[in-house]
Amino acid sequence: QKEVEQNSGPLSVPEGAIASLNCTYSDRVSQSFFWYRQYSGKSPELIMSIYSNGDKEDGRFTAQLNKASQYVSLLIRDSQPSDSATYLCAVIYSGGSNYKLTFGKGTLLTVNP
Amino acid sequence: DTGVSQDPRHKITKRGQNVTFRCDPISEHNRLYWYRQTLGQGPEFLTYFQNEAQLEKSRLLSDRFSAERPKGSFSTLEIQRTEQGDSAMYLCASSLAVGYGYTFGSGTRLTVV
Repeated sequence: QKEVEQNSGPLSVPEGAIASLNCTYSDRVSQSFFWYRQYSGKSPELIMSIYSNGDKEDGRFTAQLNKASQYVSLLIRDSQPSDSATYLCAVIYSGGSNYKLTFGKGTLLTVNP
Repeated sequence: DTGVSQDPRHKITKRGQNVTFRCDPISEHNRLYWYRQTLGQGPEFLTYFQNEAQLEKSRLLSDRFSAERPKGSFSTLEIQRTEQGDSAMYLCASSLAVGYGYTFGSGTRLTVV
């Protein structure tokens, strides 16, 4: 059973701080990693993808991948109240799984003004 | 490109009734996925199409669930003899190719009473 693990939170940070969201996955044969943001009652929205070890930056978001540790993280700099949402980590497993996304349960982030 | 469209947005049905949901993917995306999400959980994979071929169906999916994608365009998900445990958000997503992130529709929220 392929698994993606996230702390459910809630994670609470003050406005302007850095929010750090973490995710581990169970299968070393994993190719693609994604972070989705989901506001309450809405569908998931893709915010970051990362495919190779290291950091990838996009605006206030930085995704970090460490395949040896089977660990992927998302940093949100200068957090805003509008960033308050559930953040879902998702992994595409290869090797017979038809390359479908497997999601974690999500981490609820609250940014306090 | 209007994104992924799902219809209806909300459905309330009595236990034992059949329901059908529709999904229109992004036109150039040949991969289409159905997921189900309950409160506090990440999206759970149901089934997947590449063009008109249904390539994988979750073992968690009972025989009451069926999905089609005629001519590789829109898809329908039917639930027969609904049960209260079927109450969830049903999400459709599409992707351009293997390894790409998915674009989700707005979802259909099903309530079985």
